[in-house]
Amino acid sequence: KAGVTQTPRYLIKTRGQQVTLSCSPISGHRSVSWYQQTPGQGLQFLFEYFSETQRNKGNFPGRFSGRQFSNSRSEMNVSTLELGDSALYLCASSLPDSNEQFFGPGTRLTVL
Amino acid sequence: EDQVTQSPEALRLQEGESSSLNCSYTVSGLRGLFWYRQDPGKGPEFLFTLYSAGEEKEKERLKATLTKKESFLHITAPKPEDSATYLCAVGTGYSTLTFGKGTMLLVSP
Repeated sequence: KAGVTQTPRYLIKTRGQQVTLSCSPISGHRSVSWYQQTPGQGLQFLFEYFSETQRNKGNFPGRFSGRQFSNSRSEMNVSTLELGDSALYLCASSLPDSNEQFFGPGTRLTVL
Repeated sequence: EDQVTQSPEALRLQEGESSSLNCSYTVSGLRGLFWYRQDPGKGPEFLFTLYSAGEEKEKERLKATLTKKESFLHITAPKPEDSATYLCAVGTGYSTLTFGKGTMLLVSP
């Protein structure tokens, strides 16, 4: 069974730009969660989608948004990038109402 | 507020030297305690899920245990390939995990 895939793996952007990251969950997993990982803050929850609906959201500004498509694939968008947005962005998928999450390899975003 | 604290932050062991990592938590409604392993530049790899106090899970040289306030990850006779950051997380809400900051383990030959 294929794991969670994320594209692109690496991104370099400049301040003020926007970026879109993509995540394809494990086949049969309909819940997709996004996390930001930085050396100082560790892994922090961004939001979770199930059946194209955002069910839960972490404590991040509105510049961070996401969506889920009917095939369970998900995208997250960050607008007006700031230097502090440099991080590893991780996507995880799970069966509905299960907290047993399986992570992708992440997208490394660098904001210059 | 849900909180997860892991200790120590870093641990250096000699090959074969057993030890334990600690994860203490405060959460309003626990929906599982999870252990992950993360290698540099990679996503976390799922290891164990524990749901109730007294529960134990084992996998090769790793054994996870759970009490009402904390979990331990015991590493028996570690090998250099066990070197990684070990993350503990608690489940809260729909498919939502609150993570600790991890324990960086280095096993020297």
